Amino acid sequence: GENVEQHPSTLSVQEGDSAVIKCTYSDSASNYFPWYKQELGKRPQLIIDIRSNVGEKKDQRIAVTLNKTAKHFSLHITETQPEDSAVYFCAASPDTGRRALTFGSGTRLQVQP
Amino acid sequence: GAVVSQHPSWVICKSGTSVKIECRSLDFQATTMFWYRQFPKQSLMLMATSNEGSKATYEQGVEKDKFLINHASLTLSTLTVTSAHPEDSSFYICSVPPGLAVNTGELFFGEGSRLTVL
Repeated sequence: GENVEQHPSTLSVQEGDSAVIKCTYSDSASNYFPWYKQELGKRPQLIIDIRSNVGEKKDQRIAVTLNKTAKHFSLHITETQPEDSAVYFCAASPDTGRRALTFGSGTRLQVQP
Repeated sequence: GAVVSQHPSWVICKSGTSVKIECRSLDFQATTMFWYRQFPKQSLMLMATSNEGSKATYEQGVEKDKFLINHASLTLSTLTVTSAHPEDSSFYICSVPPGLAVNTGELFFGEGSRLTVL
């Protein structure tokens, strides 16, 4: 089955700096890669996703890059703000069949004001 | 996004009792629903896939006799934690994949249910 590894486990940045979180996956059949933000005690919220036919996607301060050959993808947050502080999870799945997501281990991002 | 309703949002029970958690897809019919478990400060781990009209599919290491799943209708799946023990205390969250008509891989998550077993 799929195995998703995520680094770093914790990340502390100053407000206004950029943050980068990296993930690798193992199953070449995976072609859908979402990123979720989870605040304490709440459900994960989708912040951006990318499919394997695209190398990069951007939405305001958030961008995701995908290298399907190397099986890794990254989340980039620019101009970080204190409200970006949360736990971020990457995930991977095929977009056919069962479509269950396999999650990375999570990154706790702390943005210092 | 689609609305998935999960109930209860939190529950406290005594060791040895059973607890039922409901997951409802409010916007569309779902032949499949996924149940995840999340221990404190850990990731979401897939427990099982709930299948309408057939038995659930359990991930390796998940006891099917302890975590009973019933996909009662195209909009409802239930997870029953039987003979709960303190080590079952966790955040249980259901998710619904989009229907075939929806061109996205996004999963829609319920609000989650925090189970505390005393």
